[in-house]
Parts: sequence; C-alpha cells; structure tokens
Amino acid sequence: GAVVSQHPSRVICKSGTSVKIECRSLDFQATTMFWYRQFPKKSLMLMATSNEGSKATYEQGVEKDKFLINHASLTLSTLTVTSAHPEDSSFYICSASGQNQPQHFGDGTRLSIL
Amino acid sequence: GDSVTQMEGPVTLSEEAFLTINCTYTATGYPSLFWYVQYPGEGLQLLLKATKADDKGSNKGFEATYRKETTSFHLEKGSVQVSDSAVYFCALSDSTGFQKLVFGTGTRLLVSP
Repeated sequence: GAVVSQHPSRVICKSGTSVKIECRSLDFQATTMFWYRQFPKKSLMLMATSNEGSKATYEQGVEKDKFLINHASLTLSTLTVTSAHPEDSSFYICSASGQNQPQHFGDGTRLSIL
Repeated sequence: GDSVTQMEGPVTLSEEAFLTINCTYTATGYPSLFWYVQYPGEGLQLLLKATKADDKGSNKGFEATYRKETTSFHLEKGSVQVSDSAVYFCALSDSTGFQKLVFGTGTRLLVSP
C-alpha cells in the first residue's frame, strides 16, 4: 500500500530553536499534504493544507509565521516550527493524498521543547 | 460546519468479546466516512471506509455501514483480540475535492486476555 515517511520520529531541543519535520510520499504523487497536531489523549487538529507549488492554507488560530509549511515537490512537504517554545511540544502528524489516493498518514513526530 | 461525534472511552473488553464503537456525523452534502486506528506512538492507519449510503466497509474483521438515515457509521467486530488495543478515530471527508478530514475525538479500546 501507499507509504508516507515522516522524519524525524522524535526530536528534543532547546527553547528558541527551529525544528524542521519532513513528510515524504514514497510511492505516489502527493498533490495535497496535510499537517496535524495531536495533544495527549485528544483528536487530531488540522493545522494546514498544502497543495504542491502553492502556499499552504492554515486553519483558524494557527500562526502561519510560527509554523512554516513548504510543499515544493509532489513527494515532499516540510513543517518548520520556528523559535519553538515548550507550549509547542506535541505530536505532529502529516498525511498525503493524491489522485485516486485517500489520505495516507506518516508515523508522526514527537516534538519536545525544553 | 461538519462534525463527527464518537462515544467516549476507554472501552474495556475481554478477548473474544463483541465490539461496537458508535459514531455519528453532521455534514452538508455527501461525505465519505472512515475509521482510522492509531497504535501507541504511531500515526494513523486507515482501517476501512465507505463512500456512499448503505456501503459497508470491512477490514481485518472490523466492519461499519454508512447509514444516511441515522447519520451513523458504527464500528463493529465480532471477536476482539488483545492486538486490537488502540485508539480508533471516526472521520469524514468533505466534498471540497481536497479530502480534508474531520475527526472525532477518538475512542481508546483496551482488550485484556
């Protein structure tokens, strides 16, 4: 089946640093990628939707200058958490969809900001 | 806007028990409906889906039927296993063409031997 690879799986860093998370679709062209945030024991909150070659569409309440999303190719999207602080600690999950492909999810990235 | 409501968990069952996790939805148009499963520390995996009324999605012994009249998509399994312990999410996709998913809050299933 379709595979989406997300990297890194876990990252721990100091407050104030920027962290980049990669999401790759390995065997199909992902025209659309989604970024979610999941709080402990909670559902997934959609942060933004990105279409290849276009600016991402952010959900209400999500700071686009804080969470930079790039979707420059049909197989790669990145989420950069800029100047991360402890409240940004969370589980971030990407998903990818394409023509005739439903959303396929990555395994998530656990981000811990000290 | 569109929304999904799931029963709160955790649902605790013994192995080989019958499972039902309720899911109802509110949507304009004709959404597709999904069940996803999340194992600890992992992302979501698509378990099954249904794209129109009366469709039944099934996979790994799980099944759910798209009921338009009751706006429901309940998940069932006749005999659960310990390995089924996970969090189950009901979701719908809107009709924008970009497959944006709206998730329920998730239901944790705990199966004991």
